[in-house]
Amino acid sequence: KAGVTQTPRYLIKTRGQQVTLSCSPISGHRSVSWYQQTPGQGLQFLFEYFSETQRNKGNFPGRFSGRQFSNSRSEMNVSTLELGDSALYLCASNMIGSSYNEQFFGPGTRLTVL
Amino acid sequence: TQLLEQSPQFLSIQEGENLTVYCNSSSVFSSLQWYRQEPGEGPVLLVTVVTGGEVKKLKRLTFQFGDARKDSSLHITAAQPGDTGLYLCAGTGTASKLTFGTGTRLQVTL
Repeated sequence: KAGVTQTPRYLIKTRGQQVTLSCSPISGHRSVSWYQQTPGQGLQFLFEYFSETQRNKGNFPGRFSGRQFSNSRSEMNVSTLELGDSALYLCASNMIGSSYNEQFFGPGTRLTVL
Repeated sequence: TQLLEQSPQFLSIQEGENLTVYCNSSSVFSSLQWYRQEPGEGPVLLVTVVTGGEVKKLKRLTFQFGDARKDSSLHITAAQPGDTGLYLCAGTGTASKLTFGTGTRLQVTL
């Protein structure tokens, strides 16, 4: 079974631009979560989508948004990029109905904001 | 907000040594997971523990969940260079939200 895929793997943007990241979950997984990972803050939860609806949200500004499509694929968007948005953005899928919220991560998208 | 503090933050040891990583919180978790992340990759799930006092072994790795389900430890016996990576604990708490720990970066040298 193919794992979680994320595209692109690397991105370089400048301040003020916007960016869209894509995630395809493991087949059969209907929950997709997004995380931001930085050396200073560690792994921080952005949001979770299930059945095209946002189910949980972390403490990030409204510039960070996401959506999920009917095939469970998900995208996240960051508008008006700031230097501090430079990070590894990780997507994880989860099989709803599994007991313990176990996350299966993709390789991430490395975003650099100049 | 549920916080998970890991210690130590960094650990550099030689091949063959033993080590223990700790994951502590003041909150109770219904389950706790350990992940390992290698450079350029996403975290990979190692184990899930769910019962207070539970001990699970995965080859040279031993995971324990505290009796009160507020803390956990990961013990590695005879560490190898392939164990190098970032170790993350993650607990499921209220509203089924998953909280990740602060991470322990392990370097095992020959």
